Amino acid sequence: AQKITQTQPGMFVQEKEAVTLDCTYDTSDPSYGLFWYKQPSSGEMIFLIYQGSYDQQNATEGRYSLNFQKARKSANLVISASQLGDSAMYFCAMREGRLDSSYKLIFGSGTRLLVRP
Amino acid sequence: DADVTQTPRNRITKTGKRIMLECSQTKGHDRMYWYRQDPGLGLRLIYYSFDVKDINKGEISDGYSVSRQAQAKFSLSLESAIPNQTALYFCATSDSLAGGDYEQYFGPGTRLTVT
Repeated sequence: AQKITQTQPGMFVQEKEAVTLDCTYDTSDPSYGLFWYKQPSSGEMIFLIYQGSYDQQNATEGRYSLNFQKARKSANLVISASQLGDSAMYFCAMREGRLDSSYKLIFGSGTRLLVRP
Repeated sequence: DADVTQTPRNRITKTGKRIMLECSQTKGHDRMYWYRQDPGLGLRLIYYSFDVKDINKGEISDGYSVSRQAQAKFSLSLESAIPNQTALYFCATSDSLAGGDYEQYFGPGTRLTVT
């Protein structure tokens, strides 16, 4: 069963506006971590933000925030004040916390964001 | 200098050839991973290693092998390359002693084309 679902293959946003990228996940493990990575056209994977399953507050990192709704199993990324340099592919990933876990990440299929000037 | 390096960055090879992709890290992390990314898809795990004596298969290990030559080096081999192994390959590292969750740090990727 697919564990990370990103339903938006592509999105547009106007420069300086906020945008939300959706991510839903599926796990029966009470302990897990959720990550967002950015992949610009150059190809590298850039870590943006992390949310732990036991964290009480939504994670924030500069212009990035993670809207964590545990009951809904969603971990949407919010980018405020979009910039042209935010145009990239964005991946949601999950790490499950079972004792035998490799701490490997399971990735969604990604959302391509294009910021319009 | 980059903390996680991959060589080569780009490689074109022919079907049936053996090829090795190398990954080195200066972060001192104990855990290393190899992923592949196909166009329009997320990353999928090929192999991972917790330390020099530990090698584990990931989601898509068939057709690949790995070697952890040292804590800082983790190489991926395609014994007999086939066209559907054309992909972008990423090495990643994480630190089990970091505490809390373990962010993975990615190398710049190796773009492999098998003709």
